[in-house]
Amino acid sequence: DGGITQSPKYLFRKEGQNVTLSCEQNLNHDAMYWYRQDPGQGLRLIYYSQIVNDFQKGDIAEGYSVSREKKESFPLTVTSAQKNPTAFYLCASTSNGVEAFFGQGTRLTVV
Amino acid sequence: RKEVEQDPGPFNVPEGATVAFNCTYSNSASQSFFWYRQDCRKEPKLLMSVYSSGNEDGRFTAQLNRASQYISLLIRDSKLSDSATYLCVVNLSGGSYIPTFGRGTSLIVHP
Repeated sequence: DGGITQSPKYLFRKEGQNVTLSCEQNLNHDAMYWYRQDPGQGLRLIYYSQIVNDFQKGDIAEGYSVSREKKESFPLTVTSAQKNPTAFYLCASTSNGVEAFFGQGTRLTVV
Repeated sequence: RKEVEQDPGPFNVPEGATVAFNCTYSNSASQSFFWYRQDCRKEPKLLMSVYSSGNEDGRFTAQLNRASQYISLLIRDSKLSDSATYLCVVNLSGGSYIPTFGRGTSLIVHP
């Protein structure tokens, strides 16, 4: 079945450590997105990519980096520069402006 | 002013009640509109798209008012299982499709 897979489901990061969140889709969608959700808040856009080898900053890109080397994959790295990384991270993909499909999310906690 | 605004609620209603949510958006060039449902600690899932002519799916009705720049969701005969957060999603860019989310409206249906 087609879908989006995020891993891991739970991730713990030590202070000063970089971590990478995986997002893979087999829906053949061109566009992929990373969002961050804090408790009681909506989704805020971190980065997005409309096509392979190209990506754009969203509203809260500081402290994050991405790559888009393959159509299927859009990993997100949370760097040590992100001072408040504890949140629920959601990856999504779309095709031609129809609805966005989401992965199950990664819950990141700083320990 | 936020690009997509929703009343966070919570809306606390008894089973069988009718409840309505509104969502306003700031960019008049917005082209596509959706309602998503998000359960606690889960990813958002598409509830319904919102068309200019309005659309209905069982107990759910969505409408778009372009002149006043808002969309609405009406839920009739509320069930306990309708308890969730309802997210309004708008494509704000016109060219590139970037799903932009409201912060969500919390619905609690009680016996």
